[in-house]
Amino acid sequence: GAGVSQTPSNKVTEKGKYVELRCDPISGHTALYWYRQSLGQGPEFLIYFQGTGAADDSGLPNDRFFAVRPEGSVSTLKIQRTERGDSAMYLCASSLFNRDTQYFGPGTRLTVL
Amino acid sequence: QQQVKQSPQSLIVQKGGISIINCAYENTAFDYFPWYQQFPGKGPALLIAIRPDVSEKKEGRFTISFNKSAKQFSLHIMDSQPGDSATYFCAATRYNQGGKLIFGQGTELSVKP
Repeated sequence: GAGVSQTPSNKVTEKGKYVELRCDPISGHTALYWYRQSLGQGPEFLIYFQGTGAADDSGLPNDRFFAVRPEGSVSTLKIQRTERGDSAMYLCASSLFNRDTQYFGPGTRLTVL
Repeated sequence: QQQVKQSPQSLIVQKGGISIINCAYENTAFDYFPWYQQFPGKGPALLIAIRPDVSEKKEGRFTISFNKSAKQFSLHIMDSQPGDSATYFCAATRYNQGGKLIFGQGTELSVKP
């Protein structure tokens, strides 16, 4: 079946703008995770959803970052007032349940000019 | 605070050789240790994982060795092939934290023909 998909694959924006990054998990997966990966580094946890609710948002760096998963499937990561330091690869992963293998999408490369 | 430290940062191995990547962790509450493989432009993919109740796990050419007292674990790739050239990440998590993964910094492996 289809894997995790993320759109767009690349996003270039200007400092101060608002961006939305979308994640389509594997069908039937109840848990969804967002990570951020800077160049040459390992992914860093941002937030995880179990169903529709954010079960752990301890990795969100500040209140400019917000994520939703209103119907328990697709999730959107929203970044307000983007800064150059937000430039990174944003990865989404899903798993059948919250302790199972996480399957990663290809990521969205965000560049803030 | 870096909870999972990985070395080396890069590794060059001849075809047929053994690739060894090491990781050390700080939090003794971690109870699940996966290794991920990432190719350029792709998201990480689970390679092999281990729990601390065993000292070694082997799947094909890939072996994890685990030393609980030293808080260290390593990935061994036997008979390394050019197709193994990728970035490898170790990770750790606590089972009761919903699967939030803490990643190491990554090792870029290059297998020369």
